[in-house]
Amino acid sequence: QVQLVQSGAEEKKPGAPVKVSCKASGYTGHNMHWVRQAPGQGLEWMGMINNSGGSTSHAQNFQGRVTMTRDASTTTFYMEMTNLRFDDAAVYFCAADAWGPFSWGQGTLVTVSA
Amino acid sequence: QSALTQPPSAPGSPGQSVTISCIGTSNDVGAYNYVSWYQQHPGKAPKLIIYEVNKRPSGVPDRFSGSKSGNTASLTVSGLQAEDEADYYCIAYVGSSIWVFGTGTKVTVL
Repeated sequence: QVQLVQSGAEEKKPGAPVKVSCKASGYTGHNMHWVRQAPGQGLEWMGMINNSGGSTSHAQNFQGRVTMTRDASTTTFYMEMTNLRFDDAAVYFCAADAWGPFSWGQGTLVTVSA
Repeated sequence: QSALTQPPSAPGSPGQSVTISCIGTSNDVGAYNYVSWYQQHPGKAPKLIIYEVNKRPSGVPDRFSGSKSGNTASLTVSGLQAEDEADYYCIAYVGSSIWVFGTGTKVTVL
């Protein structure tokens, strides 16, 4: 079993970066997905990081603007998005992978306002 | 990577069955048996209810079942209950460690 606890809500200005963390406990060998959900909208797959080697894959929409990393010593995963826009306001989720997301964090609300 | 197509809504009466389709292509749904389904209640994180097309995690009632034919995956909820009212999403593997979600379906219990 794996439990995922994410960092707290963030309020950012347009153009700023945001970094969301996801602390894994229990079995920590899973790769990690990042998913976002804008207000009233559906789930959007952003990308995934391999837990062992740190390699990443991204949805086309997030290539070049999203960086996913992990700190093996603390079993913490990070998702950093640069140059935030108003339409990046969303709840961001991490989710452990077992041939698809299976165990989810509680979500982190990112608000973008001037 | 275009989103998989789901119907926006799927109404049903208590005790009835509803089936939700998830239409993809030969590059995603049709290519791999890696399709999962999630249930999401308002303000909550998604919950896995079906993985690898038709497998149920422990604790998920057998009222939930999944299947696939060609480029279309389906989720059936049998014996609909009030607590099944939620949003449902499919996700499929596209290859090269890339995944894509469906557009989502709101199940309403009448």
